[in-house]
Amino acid sequence: DTAVSQTPKYLVTQMGNDKSIKCEQNLGHDTMYWYKQDSKKFLKIMFSYNNKELIINETVPNRFSPKSPDKAHLNLHINSLELGDSAVYFCASSPRTSGSYEQYFGPGTRLTVT
Amino acid sequence: AQRVTQPEKLLSVFKGAPVELKCNYSYSGSPELFWYVQYSRQRLQLLLRHISRESIKGFTADLNKGETSFHLKKPFAQEEDSAMYYCAPTYLNSGGSNYKLTFGKGTLLTVNP
Repeated sequence: DTAVSQTPKYLVTQMGNDKSIKCEQNLGHDTMYWYKQDSKKFLKIMFSYNNKELIINETVPNRFSPKSPDKAHLNLHINSLELGDSAVYFCASSPRTSGSYEQYFGPGTRLTVT
Repeated sequence: AQRVTQPEKLLSVFKGAPVELKCNYSYSGSPELFWYVQYSRQRLQLLLRHISRESIKGFTADLNKGETSFHLKKPFAQEEDSAMYYCAPTYLNSGGSNYKLTFGKGTLLTVNP
C-alpha cells in the first residue's frame, strides 16, 4: 500500500511545453504539499493545501499552478517549461491534528527540461 | 523569517566512528523539530522528532533551547547510514492555525568502510 504516490516518476520534455504531475495520498491527511529539490539537493516548499484550500504559496512563478480536486489529490501543472525548472518535485502530506506535523513524502518526480 | 542552518554540507567519517550532524534554528515560539533522511534516489522519510525523544537506527537528537540547536548524533556510524540528512523545524503561524516545515540545506553523510 503506497501512502503517497506520484506520477510520472520521470518526465523529460522540451522548453515551452506544459506538463502536469499528479499526487495522491491514501492516508486520510488534510494537508498536502509540493516541494522542489534542485541539483544541489536543496529542498524548498512551493505550495501547501489544506482540505483543497491553498494555505502556503511561496515565491513561485505563476507558471506553476497547483490544483486540488479533493483532499486526497494535489496536482501540479507547469506552463511554458524552462530549463531552470529541471529538478525533482516531491509531494507530501501531513495530518493537521495538533502535535503531529510529520510529513510523508512521495517518491518524487524527476523533471528534465531540454 | 524562520531560519535553519546546517553548517556542514558534506561530512565523511569511517565506519564505527561517532558522527554528529549539526543543526541550528531561529527561535520563534516553540517549533517542533524533525530530522529527515534521504537515501540515494529515494524519498525523504522521517528519522526522528524531538517530542518523542526516541532513538531510531541508533540516532538521537537533543533539543537545546538555549543554543537553539538540534544536533543529530550516532555513536558508531554504519555504512548504511550514508545519506542526505535534513533538519526541519516546523513553525506555527501567529494565529496558530497553520504550520510550515522549513528544511535546512542538508548534510550529505558518507560513511567509509
